[in-house]
Amino acid sequence: NAGVTQTPKFRVLKTGQSMTLLCAQDMNHEYMYWYRQDPGMGLRLIHYSVGEGTTAKGEVPDGYNVSRLKKQNFLLGLESAAPSQTSVYFCASSQTISGNTIYFGEGSWLTVV
Amino acid sequence: RKEVEQDPGPFNVPEGATVAFNCTYSNSASQSFFWYRQDCRKEPKLLMSVYSSGNEDGRFTAQLNRASQYISLLIRDSKLSDSATYLCAAPRDTGRRALTFGSGTRLQVQP
Repeated sequence: NAGVTQTPKFRVLKTGQSMTLLCAQDMNHEYMYWYRQDPGMGLRLIHYSVGEGTTAKGEVPDGYNVSRLKKQNFLLGLESAAPSQTSVYFCASSQTISGNTIYFGEGSWLTVV
Repeated sequence: RKEVEQDPGPFNVPEGATVAFNCTYSNSASQSFFWYRQDCRKEPKLLMSVYSSGNEDGRFTAQLNRASQYISLLIRDSKLSDSATYLCAAPRDTGRRALTFGSGTRLQVQP
């Protein structure tokens, strides 16, 4: 029962480096999301996708890009990492917007030095 | 104003106590709300959904007050294992195709 899988789980980047976080879901869900979580800030939506080939901006999209070339995968890219992007990143997926079908991955811990 | 707001706590309660958290929301048109539980360094997991007046599941009761625009989570007979952060969520005001989350309320149940 894989559900939502995120890779990598931990990563340390230097300022200015680029990287991609991969999210894969095996539940054939239409909707996928990327959130970041910082102390005292709760979960903030970065980007989301309502289907293959579509993406949309969330609450805090600056500095990130996403792609949904395949229905099961949702990639989050950092083109030029900044210390402000140090955070825990959670991917999630759902068949609809209904909360009882949203499944989260285990999170990716990113540190930018 | 944030779409969803919560008291960050922490709420420190003894085992067996009853504790309640509130969560206020800004969009009066929202029809569905959710409580998630998040353990330290883990992903959020759905605890309860609230679609109308309320929902009950064992020791947990979630209620919706539309007039005052808040949802509440009541935990009866608290257990040590209830210690966690509780997040409330509602569909975003914009587009309503994703959930917006509160910052979470931390609960610590003490022996």
